Amino acid sequence: RKEVEQDPGPFNVPEGATVAFNCTYSNSASQSFFWYRQDCRKEPKLLMSVYSSGNEDGRFTAQLNRASQYISLLIRDSKLSDSATYLCVVKKNTNAGKSTFGDGTTLTVKP
Amino acid sequence: DAGITQSPRHKVTETGTPVTLRCHQTENHRYMYWYRQDPGHGLRLIHYSYGVKDTDKGEVSDGYSVSRSKTEDFLLTLESATSSQTSVYFCAISESGQRYQETQYFGPGTRLLVL
Repeated sequence: RKEVEQDPGPFNVPEGATVAFNCTYSNSASQSFFWYRQDCRKEPKLLMSVYSSGNEDGRFTAQLNRASQYISLLIRDSKLSDSATYLCVVKKNTNAGKSTFGDGTTLTVKP
Repeated sequence: DAGITQSPRHKVTETGTPVTLRCHQTENHRYMYWYRQDPGHGLRLIHYSYGVKDTDKGEVSDGYSVSRSKTEDFLLTLESATSSQTSVYFCAISESGQRYQETQYFGPGTRLLVL
């Protein structure tokens, strides 16, 4: 079993739709959580960190459920420019900053 | 954007030849990382460095070596390239490697094809 698992998709949604991605992690010692966005043939870039209380940045909302060991990303009012692969990242702060990446969920937003 | 460059950006080489990839940063960050990204495997850590001359292995280090003689440069060497090392290689940096919610910043990547 992979340490971080994501539904690979693809998710194909119309503009304006709301879409949610989940990510599960197996190591209960994980302490920091992130969502990265990766455009085709580009490097991953931080989308948002995920805090215990949940956090929102515009149309994006991230949630953490430590008891069930999953994080989620909700995108409201999807835009064409949201089309990308979304990577879930989990980190144990005591392990030299080494992060474990999920394989990514691909989102395509269509007109 | 974080000041990270990688060179070369694309390379085609033949099986058995040595290859060196370079990562250069202008952020003076302590930690530097090399990842490879392949379909179905996501990003996997090859090696990382926590200071000049201080390096350690990641999960897929076989066939790779690294060196860091200056804070700003982290080199990845494929000692004898094999077709299984055809991949996209990303360098990343982070400031201290230990802080809560500290993020990594990635370079633009190097596409390597081993024939």
